[in-house]
Amino acid sequence: QLQLQESGPGLVKPSETLSLTCTVSGGSISSSSYYWGWVRQPPGKGLEWIGSIHYSGSTYPSPSLKSRVTFSVDTSKNQFSLRLSSVAAADTAVYYCGRWDWKYGSLDLWGRGTLVTVSS
Amino acid sequence: DIVMTQTPLSSPVTLGQPASISCRSSQSLVRSDGNTYLTWLQQRPGQPPRLLIYKISNRFSGVPDRFSGSGAGTDFTLKISRVEAEDVGVYYCMQGAQSPYTFGQGTKLEIK
Repeated sequence: QLQLQESGPGLVKPSETLSLTCTVSGGSISSSSYYWGWVRQPPGKGLEWIGSIHYSGSTYPSPSLKSRVTFSVDTSKNQFSLRLSSVAAADTAVYYCGRWDWKYGSLDLWGRGTLVTVSS
Repeated sequence: DIVMTQTPLSSPVTLGQPASISCRSSQSLVRSDGNTYLTWLQQRPGQPPRLLIYKISNRFSGVPDRFSGSGAGTDFTLKISRVEAEDVGVYYCMQGAQSPYTFGQGTKLEIK
């Protein structure tokens, strides 16, 4: 059973860069069938799409975050990553990684999420 | 961006009774392949979201058949035929038709 696990610092200072990694286990990230996505959820609020990456390296960031977000993939480690620059308090959220499958047109598998707080 | 609007935002329900959540999109959710990319997600307290229904009405693997989805065009509905205690949580509709993919505000299902 494929599983995803987010990892990274839980606290980031304002104006710095948030970096998170999602490790995929129980399956290969190098499948042409899937994309690998990020979603965030501010405390007590709803869900926001951040974007996705294909193992080939093609990236699809949300326009609202495009100027600050970078995605990367490391097939040798079965990981994909998110970097969000110039963070502010509004970027405080639980960040989820997930697998996007066009068979469903949705993220069908989700990581448990990791809380990132932006504070000095 | 496509705006997804859910109603109600809160739904107190008696155990064993039905529940219904509506979702309206600001644009058609039909992609070039002819499929309508409307998804329902469930988020139990303290848990990540979980895929319930995809492409309007298809239950994901392991989802009980008391959950059903329907709709067409820009109006969609999630129904729970008989609410159980484990159904408590927040339900989101999501569109995968056009990037950026967007979510409804969420509907909190609680037991009366």
